[in-house]
Amino acid sequence: DTAVSQTPKYLVTQMGNDKSIKCEQNLGHDTMYWYKQDSKKFLKIMFSYNNKELIINETVPNRFSPKSPDKAHLNLHINSLELGDSAVYFCASSQLDRANYGYTFGSGTRLTVV
Amino acid sequence: GDSVTQMEGPVTLSEEAFLTINCTYTATGYPSLFWYVQYPGEGLQLLLKATKADDKGSNKGFEATYRKETTSFHLEKGSVQVSDSAVYFCALSEKGFQKLVFGTGTRLLVSP
Repeated sequence: DTAVSQTPKYLVTQMGNDKSIKCEQNLGHDTMYWYKQDSKKFLKIMFSYNNKELIINETVPNRFSPKSPDKAHLNLHINSLELGDSAVYFCASSQLDRANYGYTFGSGTRLTVV
Repeated sequence: GDSVTQMEGPVTLSEEAFLTINCTYTATGYPSLFWYVQYPGEGLQLLLKATKADDKGSNKGFEATYRKETTSFHLEKGSVQVSDSAVYFCALSEKGFQKLVFGTGTRLLVSP
């Protein structure tokens, strides 16, 4: 009964490949996010969706494309993977009108590009 | 834009020592403030929060007070345990901005 679940937990792939990370939340939240954590632990938002609509799109290469089929799911597809994409990617969710309650994070997907 | 500044780590303490991790912020409005904790190999967990000036957030012996006059939200604990070893993130969220802005994180190492 995990609140925010991501798959896979680990992903090792070669440069140039295309890969997807999936995220699902069962909290009934209306907003979902993707954050990237680099090797120095710095966390930066990439995307945010509210009720399946994109509301935040930070400066992220076009190779990254989020997709939200419904408000409980937010997937991240990455084309033509590069070495610099290696990081831990976190999915999170919140209720937009209660954002001051904080976000619930998934356990992360560690992506290693070789 | 909004930003959060945390003290550099690692912070190394002996068990039962007093902990302070400094956090200051820059925001255009009146943000909500948070501390998240990341244990090794895990995701982020909300540790505590405060939504307005002079509010004190507390959880598991940790405390932080929202100080508007000094734009600070320092994390404190009176007696740390080895199990508190983790990375601690200060963060803010402005109403209507729909995202959390994180500090760079501070690693805490507690030895027996």
